[in-house]
Amino acid sequence: GNSVTQMEGPVTLSEEAFLTINCTYTATGYPSLFWYVQYPGEGLQLLLKATKADDKGSNKGFEATYRKETTSFHLEKGSVQVSDSAVYFCALSGSSNTGKLIFGQGTTLQVKP
Amino acid sequence: DAGVIQSPRHEVTEMGQEVTLRCKPISGHDYLFWYRQTMMRGLELLIYFNNNVPIDDSGMPEDRFSAKMPNASFSTLKIQPSEPRDSAVYFCASSLDGGINEQYFGPGTRLTVT
Repeated sequence: GNSVTQMEGPVTLSEEAFLTINCTYTATGYPSLFWYVQYPGEGLQLLLKATKADDKGSNKGFEATYRKETTSFHLEKGSVQVSDSAVYFCALSGSSNTGKLIFGQGTTLQVKP
Repeated sequence: DAGVIQSPRHEVTEMGQEVTLRCKPISGHDYLFWYRQTMMRGLELLIYFNNNVPIDDSGMPEDRFSAKMPNASFSTLKIQPSEPRDSAVYFCASSLDGGINEQYFGPGTRLTVT
């Protein structure tokens, strides 16, 4: 079945460092891919998405490119801030449009000043 | 729109008691999802509805859990009887339709069963 694997956390970086959080997936067909972010004490919110191969999603300085050949959707940011400290979830939707998202286990990012 | 609304935000109850969590999805959204989040198991999908009809309840842990959606603007998740291992944050989310549209999450209900 469909699944998502994220790199294990926590990831600890200094402010202004470069961020990469790896995400790979297994899926049949052509899923859409998402990154969600969860700030402390809050629900998840969509950070960015890509709906087809080679699409790049971007938002708030974060980027991720849908790579079908490597089945990956790695999250990157060139210069992180303390306010980026959160849990990041990679997710994919089924290509059969079931409405269901498959989430990875989440990666905690801590940015120190 | 106020977003997805959940109540209560916090619930503390004793083992054996009935617990009811409530959710109001965003108006016009056809899908509603219930998730549970714990440190040990991460984020788990419990059940989801499409147009008020349960589509997939395979994530419901056991018969103590039940969920209903009597109309398009209201859903409940009930645990009876509750147990300490049910302690978690429960999220409700809604989406406009399936597939590529994002899910909007509520703020969650933090349940503690003592």
